Amino acid sequence: EVQLAESGGGLVQPGGSLRLSCAASGFSFSTYVMHWVRQAPGKGLEWVSAISGPGRDTYYTDSVRGRFSISRDNSKNTLYLQMGSLRTEDMAVYYCARAFCGSDCSRGYWFDPWGQGTLVTVSS
Amino acid sequence: QSVLTQPPSVSGAPGQRVTISCTGSSSNIGATYDVHWYQQLPGTAPKLLIYGNIHRPSGVPDRFSGSKSGTSASLAITGLQAEDEADYYCQSYDSSLSVAVFGGGTKLTVL
Repeated sequence: EVQLAESGGGLVQPGGSLRLSCAASGFSFSTYVMHWVRQAPGKGLEWVSAISGPGRDTYYTDSVRGRFSISRDNSKNTLYLQMGSLRTEDMAVYYCARAFCGSDCSRGYWFDPWGQGTLVTVSS
Repeated sequence: QSVLTQPPSVSGAPGQRVTISCTGSSSNIGATYDVHWYQQLPGTAPKLLIYGNIHRPSGVPDRFSGSKSGTSASLAITGLQAEDEADYYCQSYDSSLSVAVFGGGTKLTVL
């Protein structure tokens, strides 16, 4: 069974740091682009970051670029999100998700599956 | 302000049909990028419902269907059931932003 399981969330003060992990199982992890998507309390979904299969290429939404760093360890089937200089607006449930594009990646991609999410609370 | 626009809420009685719209622009849905739909039950993670505009993953009932035309897409749910009460999100890709984009979500209430 294809599964993703996040961990590492918790309470952190503004300006602090946190590292999220996402353990993958049931598929060939290194061959997929992996993403982080977040959801602030009572709000919608927001794409945060992505990393290519080998880990060489990384992408970020403007609001986290320079503060967050995505990485992966394909030998451990694990995705990471290192978050720094955290702000109250970063408070959210963070989901990791596998990207799929079928036979024609020029038409975009979708996310399947998603992990259960991990809550990051930024508060003093 | 989400890049893709969805109605905040829709409702319907059991057995009825409801539709949820998703409106984009020429840099996303209108640029031939596919639209995908997710169902998020209360307190759970999003789950893929429709991919590639019209395709249902294995296990998704055929009561759920998707369509796309121009700069918009729609999710239709027929034979509404109480268990369908959830938040629904559309998603596509935006070539101007070079990121995946989501709609703001639509809360479906089964009356």
